[in-house]
Amino acid sequence: IAGITQAPTSQILAAGRRMTLRCTQDMRHNAMYWYRQDLGLGLRLIHYSNTAGTTGKGEVPDGYSVSRANTDDFPLTLASAVPSQTSVYFCASRPDLGNYGYTFGSGTRLTVV
Amino acid sequence: QKEVEQDPGPLSVPEGAIVSLNCTYSNSAFQYFMWYRQYSRKGPELLMYTYSSGNKEDGRFTAQVDKSSKYISLFIRDSQPSDSATYLCAMSLYSGGGADGLTFGKGTHLIIQP
Repeated sequence: IAGITQAPTSQILAAGRRMTLRCTQDMRHNAMYWYRQDLGLGLRLIHYSNTAGTTGKGEVPDGYSVSRANTDDFPLTLASAVPSQTSVYFCASRPDLGNYGYTFGSGTRLTVV
Repeated sequence: QKEVEQDPGPLSVPEGAIVSLNCTYSNSAFQYFMWYRQYSRKGPELLMYTYSSGNKEDGRFTAQVDKSSKYISLFIRDSQPSDSATYLCAMSLYSGGGADGLTFGKGTHLIIQP
């Protein structure tokens, strides 16, 4: 693993189903983020975590939940998927000091039908 | 009014041209400004990072920040077909993006014609 790994790469999901998007990083970054990217709307923050054991809500948190049991993993759960959650989801992390750039995963393309 | 405005394009220019990409913003408290490049079906990658007003150059890329006008720019010299991508501006109140992440523009789709 190098950087951030997201799984699955893509998924078609029936409305009402529960789904967890996985995100794992091997850089020991404390801060991690989940964004969704939609055409015409850009990247919008769903949830974030500044360190293991803590999470916070972003701009569009409704319908999503996250957990941060350890430094490396930051899963995003859709409890009961709806078509408006069709999007590309990106997980990101940032280092604590120095380099201010976020590292992004390659994304999960989710279609809710 | 959105916090960050960015023309979505597409912007199409011939190879070798100078490209100018821009964002305007409304929150005067933003201090840290970034440009990300995103290729199709990939995650964004950091291209340039600047603090406060001024210019920063890295190879063919120059980032410019004018806080008095709330306006940031990215210039690409000697543009190449491999520069074809979506360019996202991002900004933050804090050096690390803060507790609640970065605020992104919607992105400009750039096409460099060979």
